[in-house]
Amino acid sequence: KAGVTQTPRYLIKTRGQQVTLSCSPISGHRSVSWYQQTPGQGLQFLFEYFSETQRNKGNFPGRFSGRQFSNSRSEMNVSTLELGDSALYLCASSSRGGLSTDTQYFGPGTRLTVL
Amino acid sequence: GESVGLHLPTLSVQEGDNSIINCAYSNSASDYFIWYKQESGKGPQFIIDIRSNMDKRQGQRVTVLLNKTVKHLSLQIAATQPGDSAVYFCAENTGGSNYKLTFGKGTLLTVNP
Repeated sequence: KAGVTQTPRYLIKTRGQQVTLSCSPISGHRSVSWYQQTPGQGLQFLFEYFSETQRNKGNFPGRFSGRQFSNSRSEMNVSTLELGDSALYLCASSSRGGLSTDTQYFGPGTRLTVL
Repeated sequence: GESVGLHLPTLSVQEGDNSIINCAYSNSASDYFIWYKQESGKGPQFIIDIRSNMDKRQGQRVTVLLNKTVKHLSLQIAATQPGDSAVYFCAENTGGSNYKLTFGKGTLLTVNP
């Protein structure tokens, strides 16, 4: 079974631009979560989607948004990029996204550099 | 506020020794905890998890201990190998029934041959 895939793997943008990142979860998984990883702040939760609905959101400004499609693939968008948005953006999927033994599996991430 | 912290940012051990990585969490309502391993250039990889109704869980060469009284989590790696060198994160689910993981800052484990 293929793992979580993220595209693109690397991205360079300039301040003020916007960017869209894509995530394809493991087949059959309906929950997709997004995280931002930086050396200073570590791994921080952005949002979680399940069956096309955002169920949870972290403490990020409205410039960060996401969506999920009917096939569970997800995209996240960052508008008006700032230098501080440079980070590794990670996507994780799980079958239900709830408690019990539901495990999140991470993709390799998209490295975003804002110049 | 919600936070997960690590006592030791770096840990260096000899190959074959046992490793213990510690983690403190602050949200007493968290009911699910996970340890992840992250190698350079890769996403976090699930190692082992534990629910709040358990004190201990064992996997292959790894054991997670949960002490809810002092809100402490630890990961024990037996017979540490060079391939275990990585950054280890503990995470807690702070979203209740809606998944929301809060991660610690991470501990860098270096295994010396």
